Amino acid sequence: AQTVTQSQPEMSVQEAETVTLSCTYDTSESDYYLFWYKQPPSRQMILVIRQEAYKQQNATENRFSVNFQKAAKSFSLKISDSQLGDAAMYFCAYRTLEGAQKLVFGQGTRLTINP
Amino acid sequence: DTGVSQDPRHKITKRGQNVTFRCDPISEHNRLYWYRQTLGQGPEFLTYFQNEAQLEKSRLLSDRFSAERPKGSFSTLEIQRTEQGDSAMYLCASSKGLLYEQYFGPGTRLTVT
Repeated sequence: AQTVTQSQPEMSVQEAETVTLSCTYDTSESDYYLFWYKQPPSRQMILVIRQEAYKQQNATENRFSVNFQKAAKSFSLKISDSQLGDAAMYFCAYRTLEGAQKLVFGQGTRLTINP
Repeated sequence: DTGVSQDPRHKITKRGQNVTFRCDPISEHNRLYWYRQTLGQGPEFLTYFQNEAQLEKSRLLSDRFSAERPKGSFSTLEIQRTEQGDSAMYLCASSKGLLYEQYFGPGTRLTVT
């Protein structure tokens, strides 16, 4: 079974600075998807960025980018120019390409933005 | 695209009572998922529907839990004889199909007293 580990329960960053959230995962599969989801307080989960395992190029979405290291099974999220609205729980998630294609989530990292 | 909706948003019930939650997916989405999220943890998969067929269930889904998706539209999740350990946020997500993103609803927060 796949597992996802986020070793940073909490992180904080100054507004406009850059922060990196860590994620490692374990799988025996060679093809899969990885995601970062954002869950603001009392609001629903939204997708931040996704990475297909077969792609060597790291995904980017505006101020959000990932560092995908397939051999090391590492998938970190970098947020540049942090904004107050980035404050949320961030979840790393793995999705198999088989069966239900359910998401397997990490424990989450609570990100605080200091003005 | 009105998004995934869930009802109710909050439910407080006494131990031993039955509760039912509803999820309305995005209209053209044929895949529907239920997840459970306890405080301070990431969501955990409960069950999955493709159209009206329930194709996968987690071992987390005990005999007290049942889910349906009649006619492949909305879905209901029922918990019978609730226990305090059932207190959690129950999340619904839907997707258009293979390799498409899962869109999440706002969740139903269940508190069992």
